[in-house]
Amino acid sequence: DAGITQSPRHKVTETGTPVTLRCHQTENHRYMYWYRQDPGHGLRLIHYSYGVKDTDKGEVSDGYSVSRSKTEDFLLTLESATSSQTSVYFCAISGGRLAPGNEQFFGPGTRLTVL
Amino acid sequence: AQKVTQAQTEISVVEKEDVTLDCVYETRDTTYYLFWYKQPPSGELVFLIRRNSFDEQNEISGRYSWNFQKSTSSFNFTITASQVVDSAVYFCALSEAKVNTGFQKLVFGTGTRLLVSP
Repeated sequence: DAGITQSPRHKVTETGTPVTLRCHQTENHRYMYWYRQDPGHGLRLIHYSYGVKDTDKGEVSDGYSVSRSKTEDFLLTLESATSSQTSVYFCAISGGRLAPGNEQFFGPGTRLTVL
Repeated sequence: AQKVTQAQTEISVVEKEDVTLDCVYETRDTTYYLFWYKQPPSGELVFLIRRNSFDEQNEISGRYSWNFQKSTSSFNFTITASQVVDSAVYFCALSEAKVNTGFQKLVFGTGTRLLVSP
């Protein structure tokens, strides 16, 4: 068991369509995060969650929403995808067995292309 | 605001050379954490090290070593006797320290791509 999975791993969509990315963890970590990775920018925090139904905005939250109805799932939604949201999206977790020491443990990433 | 600068965009070395990756940070917090992550060509992000602001001891792990200097706000990473498998993008990151809660808002540098040729 990988501990943290992301789905889908790759997606191509068209401008204006809604897109939902899923992050699933099996280790009961309290904190979950969504980042995007773009050339020249490193990773930037989109949204994060510090518990079920408790979420907050990160550095680049415009155009994104999140939900966390269960401890194990953290969903990232692009309400109306734009080409500027073409990126690699990473989910991360902390506060549990896989990341006990304040570091974050990252999922495998989702490559999203918006045409 | 917190900021991490990795001025070296790309470094190329030949196997067995030593290489140092620079990381300079800015923060107003007196308590914070610094991290290094590795992203190999396969794309995953691998945690390498965490250092808190109260611990300025250098750390060595095999061929890897880290030099933390608060006086210059730097947290540099040295690979000794580099190998082809070290080829990756390396990210330095900073977070304010919510002490022992496990919660971190990481600010990443833009990364340094290391190419190690045989």
